Amino acid sequence: DAGVTQSPTHLIKTRGQQVTLRCSPISGHKSVSWYQQVLGQGPQFIFQYYEKEERGRGNFPDRFSARQFPNYSSELNVNALLLGDSALYLCASSNLGMVINTEAFFGQGTRLTVV
Amino acid sequence: AQSVTQLDSQVPVFEEAPVELRCNYSSSVSVYLFWYVQYPNQGLQLLLKYLSGSTLVESINGFEAEFNKSQTSFHLRKPSVHISDTAEYFCAVSDALGDDKIIFGKGTRLHILP
Repeated sequence: DAGVTQSPTHLIKTRGQQVTLRCSPISGHKSVSWYQQVLGQGPQFIFQYYEKEERGRGNFPDRFSARQFPNYSSELNVNALLLGDSALYLCASSNLGMVINTEAFFGQGTRLTVV
Repeated sequence: AQSVTQLDSQVPVFEEAPVELRCNYSSSVSVYLFWYVQYPNQGLQLLLKYLSGSTLVESINGFEAEFNKSQTSFHLRKPSVHISDTAEYFCAVSDALGDDKIIFGKGTRLHILP
């Protein structure tokens, strides 16, 4: 089975631009979460979506938004990019909502560089 | 709200020596505890997890961690490290209430010295 897939793997954007990152969860998983990992730090929670609805939001500005599609894939959008948005963006999927939800599986991430 | 503290940002250790990576957490509710490993230029991989039951949990590659509720700790140990264990290790916590949000520590970089 394919794991969590993210695209693109690398991206370079200019300050002020907008970016869209994509994530496909493991087949059967209905929950997708997004994390930002700045160099030298642990991942920080941005959003969680379950059954196409937002279930959780971290402490990030409104420039960050996301959505989940009927096939449970997800997009993370960041508007008006700042240099500080440069990071590895990780997507995780899980079987939240089933009887036992014990693990989130992470993708390889999208490395975003803002110049 | 939960938080995780990893006391060491870097740990150098000689190959075949034992290692302990320290992790303390804070939470007002029951939690699940995790250790994730991140190899250079890769995503996160789950190393081991504590959900309930036995407080000592093991991974398939020789790591183990012990949940200590009274000390709110979940330290990671390995009796003999290998050069391939060079990586960043993240301790993490999520609440046991069905929420999927994971709170990560800042990570500990494990340097294996030849």
